[in-house]
Amino acid sequence: KQEVTQIPAALSVPEGENLVLNCSFTDSAIYNLQWFRQDPGKGLTSLLLIQSSQREQTSGRLNASLDKSSGRSTLYIAASQPGDSATYLCAVTSYSGNTPLVFGKGTRLSVIA
Amino acid sequence: GAGVSQSPSNKVTEKGKDVELRCDPISGHTALYWYRQSLGQGLEFLIYFQGNSAPDKSGLPSDRFSAERTGGSVSTLTIQRTQQEDSAVYLCASSLGTGPTNYGYTFGSGTRLTVV
Repeated sequence: KQEVTQIPAALSVPEGENLVLNCSFTDSAIYNLQWFRQDPGKGLTSLLLIQSSQREQTSGRLNASLDKSSGRSTLYIAASQPGDSATYLCAVTSYSGNTPLVFGKGTRLSVIA
Repeated sequence: GAGVSQSPSNKVTEKGKDVELRCDPISGHTALYWYRQSLGQGLEFLIYFQGNSAPDKSGLPSDRFSAERTGGSVSTLTIQRTQQEDSAVYLCASSLGTGPTNYGYTFGSGTRLTVV
C-alpha cells in the first residue's frame, strides 16, 4: 500500500528566506507526483505536476524535484513571501490507471513578515 | 462550469440524520473523485467515478456512505444516520480521465460537515 510522508509537519520562516519541503513515498512505482497548496477553509490548488520520467518542474518561485528510485520529492520555494503561507500537500499516483492520488498529511508553512 | 462546484459549503446536522453532498465537476471531465479531510489528518480517498461507474468503492468507510453519479456529470455523496466521527471536510475533484497521463486534478472548495 502506497504511503506518503511529509516532513516537517509545520514550518515557520521569516520573509525572504528560501525553503525546502520534503515528501517521501514508499512505493516507487508511480506515474506522477503532484504538489498542492491548501489555504484555510479552501480547496486544493495544483502547483506542480511531475511525471515519473521527469526530474523536476518549475513554476515561478517554485521548483519541485523527483527522485523516483529513492521515493523522494522536494518543493523548493525561493524568496518566500507572507502570501506563501498555506498548507502544502504532496500526492502520488501509483502504477495503476485506476488508482487515485495518495496524499501526505501536508506541511503547514507560515512566512512571517 | 469554470471550476468544480460543491454544495453546500457548510452543513451542520444532528446525529442520526441523513445528509447529501453535491459535486458539479468541470464540464467534460470524465473522472470524479471524493475525498475526506478530518481535522489534523491527511486526505482520505473515498470513491471515484469514471463516467457513471464507480470501479472502486473500497474507500467508503462504512455502508452508511454511498455515492452516485448521473449523466457523467453531477455526483452526490450520501451519508445515512450520521455520526460525530463523520464530521470532516468532504472534497471533490475532477479530471479529464483516470489514465496515467498528464491529467491534472481540479478540486472544489469542499463541504464542511459538522455532526452535533
